[in-house]
Amino acid sequence: GAVVSQHPSWVICKSGTSVKIECRSLDFQATTMFWYRQFPKQSLMLMATSNEGSKATYEQGVEKDKFLINHASLTLSTLTVTSAHPEDSSFYICSARDRTGAPVKLFFGSGTQLSVL
Amino acid sequence: QQQVKQSPQSLIVQKGGIPIINCAYENTAFDYFPWYQQFPGKGPALLIAIRPDVSEKKEGRFTISFNKSAKQFSLHIMDSQPGDSATYFCAASMRNNQFYFGTGTSLTVIP
Repeated sequence: GAVVSQHPSWVICKSGTSVKIECRSLDFQATTMFWYRQFPKQSLMLMATSNEGSKATYEQGVEKDKFLINHASLTLSTLTVTSAHPEDSSFYICSARDRTGAPVKLFFGSGTQLSVL
Repeated sequence: QQQVKQSPQSLIVQKGGIPIINCAYENTAFDYFPWYQQFPGKGPALLIAIRPDVSEKKEGRFTISFNKSAKQFSLHIMDSQPGDSATYFCAASMRNNQFYFGTGTSLTVIP
């Protein structure tokens, strides 16, 4: 299946610093990518939809100034957690829609475990 | 409103057993139903998927049963193994390509 690469797989940072997570579609172009947050033993919580060349669409309750999303190319979306605090510690996952065929399929990155000290 | 309802929340079976995970939906516009498998610390991986024009799809030990009239679909894992222990998510999508996920089922296969 199609590959979505997410980097880094884990990161530890100090409170107040910013962290950037990258999500790349390796063998298909993705005009739309999604960012999720997942707490232990819980489901995927959609944070935002990243659209290439335009502003991201954020879900209700997600601070857009806190979680900056940039989708500058058809294969790359980035999520920057700004001024991170311990409560931002979580597992972040991206996904990308592969439209090269029907039906459209959704593939996930391997996730990023963020720990804010 | 939860577009896709998944049950059970957790499931424990003995090795060789056949765990069954069920999902239900209301929106008849859904036309693609994938299942994802997620291991701890990893992202979900596409496992198997079905479209509503067939009632069953089998790939290896994994089978999806689809009941269009009941708006239900389920995942069966034949001859389950400890390595199948993971969280499983069902999903549904429609022509606008929005994906809706179930709440997940944590499966434990005991040796």
